[in-house]
Amino acid sequence: EAQVTQNPRYLITVTGKKLTVTCSQNMNHEYMSWYRQDPGLGLRQIYYSMNVEVTDKGDVPEGYKVSRKEKRNFPLILESPSPNQTSLYFCASSSTGRGYTFGSGTRLTVV
Amino acid sequence: EDQVTQSPEALRLQEGESSSLNCSYTVSGLRGLFWYRQDPGKGPEFLFTLYSAGEEKEKERLKATLTKKESFLHITAPKPEDSATYLCAVQAKGAQKLVFGQGTRLTINP
Repeated sequence: EAQVTQNPRYLITVTGKKLTVTCSQNMNHEYMSWYRQDPGLGLRQIYYSMNVEVTDKGDVPEGYKVSRKEKRNFPLILESPSPNQTSLYFCASSSTGRGYTFGSGTRLTVV
Repeated sequence: EDQVTQSPEALRLQEGESSSLNCSYTVSGLRGLFWYRQDPGKGPEFLFTLYSAGEEKEKERLKATLTKKESFLHITAPKPEDSATYLCAVQAKGAQKLVFGQGTRLTINP
């Protein structure tokens, strides 16, 4: 089944403790992206990648890192999480000219 | 700056009562306009892509249309299982980012 898989689905962590949210797609898509969704603010892009080793900032990149060492994987790294990064995170992938396929989401709480 | 505004914020209908959701947009050269459905706690599910004014696409009880300034998602004879938040997004030419609207939360009462 064609899909984008994120892990974990739920995560509660403490301020400053480094964490990684994994994302993997099995559709051989070139483009991958991370979004966060917050009430009243909608979905906003954090980072995106156009292919292996090619990444760029989206609208809200502060406090996040990404890497794209393999085409299928695009992990999101929070080096020192803060409470304002509490949010619902989505990974998405697409091929040229197509709509993005989204993962099921990761609900992150930073206390 | 690319912008998407959806209306209404919330809509409650009776089963079988047809209606339309609106998506107004401004974009510096449209590459595509996307409609997604999102159920609570889940990721957006792709519905349609529209590329140029005058284009229409249909899927079951849903029909999406596009003009140069807005898109409509028409829902004909909806059922309770159509209840969800419907998201509209635009992608500008040369960009990979999707710019989303706030969504319309649709509730269909049996």
